[in-house]
Amino acid sequence: LAKTTQPISMDSYEGQEVNITCSHNNIATNDYITWYQQFPSQGPRFIIQGYKTKVTNEVASLFIPADRKSSTLSLPRVSLSDTAVYYCLVPENTNAGKSTFGDGTTLTVKP
Amino acid sequence: GAVVSQHPSWVICKSGTSVKIECRSLDFQATTMFWYRQFPKQSLMLMATSNEGSKATYEQGVEKDKFLINHASLTLSTLTVTSAHPEDSSFYICSALGAPRYEQYFGPGTRLTVT
Repeated sequence: LAKTTQPISMDSYEGQEVNITCSHNNIATNDYITWYQQFPSQGPRFIIQGYKTKVTNEVASLFIPADRKSSTLSLPRVSLSDTAVYYCLVPENTNAGKSTFGDGTTLTVKP
Repeated sequence: GAVVSQHPSWVICKSGTSVKIECRSLDFQATTMFWYRQFPKQSLMLMATSNEGSKATYEQGVEKDKFLINHASLTLSTLTVTSAHPEDSSFYICSALGAPRYEQYFGPGTRLTVT
């Protein structure tokens, strides 16, 4: 059973900021939260990973509240090429790194 | 980021034959790799955990005698689909586990079509 819950789909327009929130109520103390992007017929691509507060890289930001029971992926100024499925992943076995994918969020960016 | 390759990227085989898919971590050593299967419009489903030098651990409902996994080196895991049937047609994706934060680096996937 997936440890994460995300909205099934989201729509946005080019140039807007998109925030996708993931719930992970049972996250373990040592677990990191990782977000992936997947295009059709491709393997998932690593976007960002965080443990607490805020992490930013060249493509996204990740916000994690103090209780760590949720996280929000923020994509600034999306473009059509950001249309994809986004997954947040939390290990279901901290020592083995094994994770179960949830349904992910299908983001559709419109012109 | 770390690079993981898969070979072949696509394969078509006849029902009853076996197909081997390779997963390689190109720039790091991976003691643990994972194999997933993904059907159209669905999420990735974990099939098994491949550990270097030991037997793979299969998820519930995955037949270990049908999906043979070998992880003979720190950079290579193979998945062999034995006696393939049309219902095995799917997109197979591997990942290699990075350390110390357990980020997974995914391969590009292999499209298997069984006719």
